[in-house]
Amino acid sequence: AQSVTQLGSHVSVSEGALVLLRCNYSSSVPPYLFWYVQYPNQGLQLLLKYTTGATLVKGINGFEAEFKKSETSFHLTKPSAHMSDAAEYFCAVSEVSSGSARQLTFGSGTQLTVLP
Amino acid sequence: NAGVTQTPKFQVLKTGQSMTLQCAQDMNHEYMSWYRQDPGMGLRLIHYSVGAGITDQGEVPNGYNVSRSTTEDFPLRLLSAAPSQTSVYFCATTKGRFNEAFFGQGTRLTVV
Repeated sequence: AQSVTQLGSHVSVSEGALVLLRCNYSSSVPPYLFWYVQYPNQGLQLLLKYTTGATLVKGINGFEAEFKKSETSFHLTKPSAHMSDAAEYFCAVSEVSSGSARQLTFGSGTQLTVLP
Repeated sequence: NAGVTQTPKFQVLKTGQSMTLQCAQDMNHEYMSWYRQDPGMGLRLIHYSVGAGITDQGEVPNGYNVSRSTTEDFPLRLLSAAPSQTSVYFCATTKGRFNEAFFGQGTRLTVV
């Protein structure tokens, strides 16, 4: 069974500071990993994903994440926070499967606040 | 190209009432799913469908029914609404072997 843990339900950073949102997963098979962002009163939008290959993946809006198998982690980073980054961020895992099930398991989310 | 469309956006129900949340997609994706989002709990899978005529239960199916008669539509039915079903509901489709999900804008449901 797969699961996702996001450390820190609320993170505050100053504008221009580094953003680091933590995600650890457990999976019995090689996972696909995702970060989604949710702005107020909106649905979830894909930021980036790791499937296979390069472990450092780049996404939209300057975000990137690194898949570390040994640490079972997929932390999200951005070098310099912008006010528009304030949102809730969800890490999700999907197990590689040859079957038809395509279930995503989500973490509990991290609310990012950017301070002026 | 609308993607995933959910209606209504907001709904207030009285305990015991029934209703259907609509979800329609124009992406021609086989896989569709319903999630509920509650504070501090992320998104939890209610039901999903791998294609027309095929549905299955997710993590929290009790109190909800689904059907999938066409590729495009995947309605979620609340049989007898309870205050515990107050939540934000998201419909999603998934494409490709990498399971990238596309979400609707959500339905905010309050049961009083």
